[in-house]
Amino acid sequence: KNQVEQSPQSLIILEGKNCTLQCNYTVSPFSNLRWYKQDTGRGPVSLTIMTFSENTKSNGRYTATLDADTKQSSLHITASQLSDSASYICVVSAGNSGNTPLVFGKGTRLSVIA
Amino acid sequence: NAGVTQTPKFQVLKTGQSMTLQCAQDMNHEYMSWYRQDPGMGLRLIHYSVGAGITDQGEVPNGYNVSRSTTEDFPLRLLSAAPSQTSVYFCASRLKRSPLHFGNGTRLTVT
Repeated sequence: KNQVEQSPQSLIILEGKNCTLQCNYTVSPFSNLRWYKQDTGRGPVSLTIMTFSENTKSNGRYTATLDADTKQSSLHITASQLSDSASYICVVSAGNSGNTPLVFGKGTRLSVIA
Repeated sequence: NAGVTQTPKFQVLKTGQSMTLQCAQDMNHEYMSWYRQDPGMGLRLIHYSVGAGITDQGEVPNGYNVSRSTTEDFPLRLLSAAPSQTSVYFCASRLKRSPLHFGNGTRLTVT
């Protein structure tokens, strides 16, 4: 069964600190992996996409990594800000056609405090 | 561009009532979908459409109907609301191999 597991479920960090969120997946065939950020009361917004051949991709203070061999991805947030407080959702696309099924993780709830 | 627009933002229904959640997008996306988000469950796909006139069931379709008469609109109908349908509903659209664009959700409470 295709699954995406995220850890930790929740995390509290001080402003200015770094943190890393984890995503493990068992999805086949793998197409790509996206990280979404969901602010409270809003819909998720895409942060980054990782394809099979990519190991690392950065988007400002966000850096995503992918290890296709171990089927793990991480999202590293550098120098956290209060505005980083949100849920971060890992989504894996299964298959190779244009409208393939998406498998959602349950998200990690990050709280950045002053 | 407004992106994906959902209405209403909040709704309270009594058990057995019916209603339609509206979703419209102005990005000319062929693919549109409805999700529900419950605490501890993550986003679950209800129905989706790959183009006008084409709809299909997702993971949790029971109790919901959809139609897609135009590219822009994809309404979700609750036929006879039940307390188990209390949730936050998100509409999303995308082009092929592109990220999903989500609306800001409709928070539905069924009493």
